[in-house]
Amino acid sequence: SQQGEEDPQALSIQEGENATMNCSYKTSINNLQWYRQNSGRGLVHLILIRSNEREKHSGRLRVTLDTSKKSSSLLITASRAADTASYFCATAPSGSSNTGKLIFGQGTTLQVKP
Amino acid sequence: GAGVSQSPSNKVTEKGKDVELRCDPISGHTALYWYRQSLGQGLEFLIYFQGNSAPDKSGLPSDRFSAERTGGSVSTLTIQRTQQEDSAVYLCASSSHPQGTGVGNEQFFGPGTRLTVL
Repeated sequence: SQQGEEDPQALSIQEGENATMNCSYKTSINNLQWYRQNSGRGLVHLILIRSNEREKHSGRLRVTLDTSKKSSSLLITASRAADTASYFCATAPSGSSNTGKLIFGQGTTLQVKP
Repeated sequence: GAGVSQSPSNKVTEKGKDVELRCDPISGHTALYWYRQSLGQGLEFLIYFQGNSAPDKSGLPSDRFSAERTGGSVSTLTIQRTQQEDSAVYLCASSSHPQGTGVGNEQFFGPGTRLTVL
């Protein structure tokens, strides 16, 4: 079943602007991860935030996690044309299974115009 | 190898035929996952391996789908009697996730196999 819901579905910005994508999920999680996908093929891991963390930074990326609201946001600062891609949030549900499997949202398609 | 590899990169088959998709995970990664991404959809979990065992097969959509892993390394996803709705990109990922810890680590994805069933 779908765990993550992302918004917006599509985002178009100018180079240099910031891009914010949001993700909501339904159940308790161990961690939440963001991935990037170019041209509908392999995914690249961007950042992982654990359930006991509230904010994490990696280069131009900033991720927040609010477990009380079951939501996360990904901020890309000073965007570049090369950031054009689809971005997915993925949650690792907590519970007895503990398989580490990820439940993905539908993704946000980001277009950065030069 | 340097990353996760998958073969073939593209597969076109006729409805009713069987197909095999291969995944070579990163050396030493004990956890292996298969996902499916249909056109315009998010990724859908199919099956999880820890070593050669598959403790979670909950995402396999029907009994036409099966997978195995040998030597704690290579995995093969088999789809029997393919249907048009099986058309999708099949992605494999591996991770150093240790079973039972509930912590979870990042997953490294292969480039995927694009399956088209005519």
